[in-house]
Amino acid sequence: DGGITQSPKYLFRKEGQNVTLSCEQNLNHDAMYWYRQDPGQGLRLIYYSQIVNDFQKGDIAEGYSVSREKKESFPLTVTSAQKNPTAFYLCATNGGVDTQYFGPGTRLTVL
Amino acid sequence: QKEVEQDPGPLSVPEGAIVSLNCTYSNSAFQYFMWYRQYSRKGPELLMYTYSSGNKEDGRFTAQVDKSSKYISLFIRDSQPSDSATYLCAMSLRSNDYKLSFGAGTTVTVRA
Repeated sequence: DGGITQSPKYLFRKEGQNVTLSCEQNLNHDAMYWYRQDPGQGLRLIYYSQIVNDFQKGDIAEGYSVSREKKESFPLTVTSAQKNPTAFYLCATNGGVDTQYFGPGTRLTVL
Repeated sequence: QKEVEQDPGPLSVPEGAIVSLNCTYSNSAFQYFMWYRQYSRKGPELLMYTYSSGNKEDGRFTAQVDKSSKYISLFIRDSQPSDSATYLCAMSLRSNDYKLSFGAGTTVTVRA
């Protein structure tokens, strides 16, 4: 069953904690992306990676970090430096044919 | 001014009605235009992907692009309660572009 999986579906973070969101794909896509979605706003790009072992900052990278050690995986860490982390986080991939396809999302809430 | 403007709605229509959704944009260099459908608490799914100006039809969905007016539309014919969702427009300069510019989304409810 091909697709993009994100885990966990819901995540709660205490003040000062780092948390890591998982994104895995078995579509053999080279490019992967992380977006943040807030109510009433469009999706905003956090980080993207077009090839293994390489990634670039998006529009709102401050307070976040990523790694791309494997083609299938692109985890996002929300660090304690991110002052307003409560949001819906979306991972996407692009296979080089048309455009981006999204995973099911992770809802992060800060306690 | 936002790069992509989309009427947030919400929009409520009776079953069977035509739903009309619109986005305007400021960057005349955009060439690729997308519509995504997002159900509550789910990830967006790609509905339509079009290049440049013109119309594209897929079942009950029609996407229109008017580059001269910097205006794109999505029409849903014979709307069903299952069409109730938030619809996001997106656009890019190039195919496979890392950078997509999104509208804020329009929430649609189709009443049975």
